[in-house]
Amino acid sequence: NAGVTQTPKFRVLKTGQSMTLLCAQDMNHEYMYWYRQDPGMGLRLIHYSVGEGTTAKGEVPDGYNVSRLKKQNFLLGLESAAPSQTSVYFCASSPTLGTRDQPQHFGDGTRLSIL
Amino acid sequence: RKEVEQDPGPFNVPEGATVAFNCTYSNSASQSFFWYRQDCRKEPKLLMSVYSSGNEDGRFTAQLNRASQYISLLIRDSKLSDSATYLCVVKGGSYIPTFGRGTSLIVHP
Repeated sequence: NAGVTQTPKFRVLKTGQSMTLLCAQDMNHEYMYWYRQDPGMGLRLIHYSVGEGTTAKGEVPDGYNVSRLKKQNFLLGLESAAPSQTSVYFCASSPTLGTRDQPQHFGDGTRLSIL
Repeated sequence: RKEVEQDPGPFNVPEGATVAFNCTYSNSASQSFFWYRQDCRKEPKLLMSVYSSGNEDGRFTAQLNRASQYISLLIRDSKLSDSATYLCVVKGGSYIPTFGRGTSLIVHP
């Protein structure tokens, strides 16, 4: 039972390079989220999706884009990486809108360094 | 005032001790509450949901106080393996969870 899978697990980029982080879930969850976590800052929501084909901005969306073309996948893109985007990125998913008490399930993170 | 606030700690306790964390939230319309555990450089994992009547899972007890807008987590008989960061999570009507910054617990022999 895979749950939430993130790829890649580690990546080093140069400033200005682009890349896409992939999140896949096999639990048929409607909601998916991308967070970044920096020391002392806790988890901050970048973007989220309430269903296939829909995305919305979170707390810190600048410099990132997302797409949810398939229900099971949520992609996070960095068009032009900056050192300030060095962080640990977590993807999460949760079940349908009606089940308010359902918690999130997290992937094991992507550690991204921008030089 | 931050939406969800936690004392960052660290709470440094001996094995066998009882320790309690509080988490305050600002949105009175919040409807769902959770405690997550996060080990160093790992993903957050659900520890327990928090219900209005309070709930217990082994050595862990969670309480919700809606009038004062806080939730608590009590850990009895602390183990070395309980050392981690404990994250408070609150959901309002938007269904988008808000995370506290976490409370660090260190259990020493």
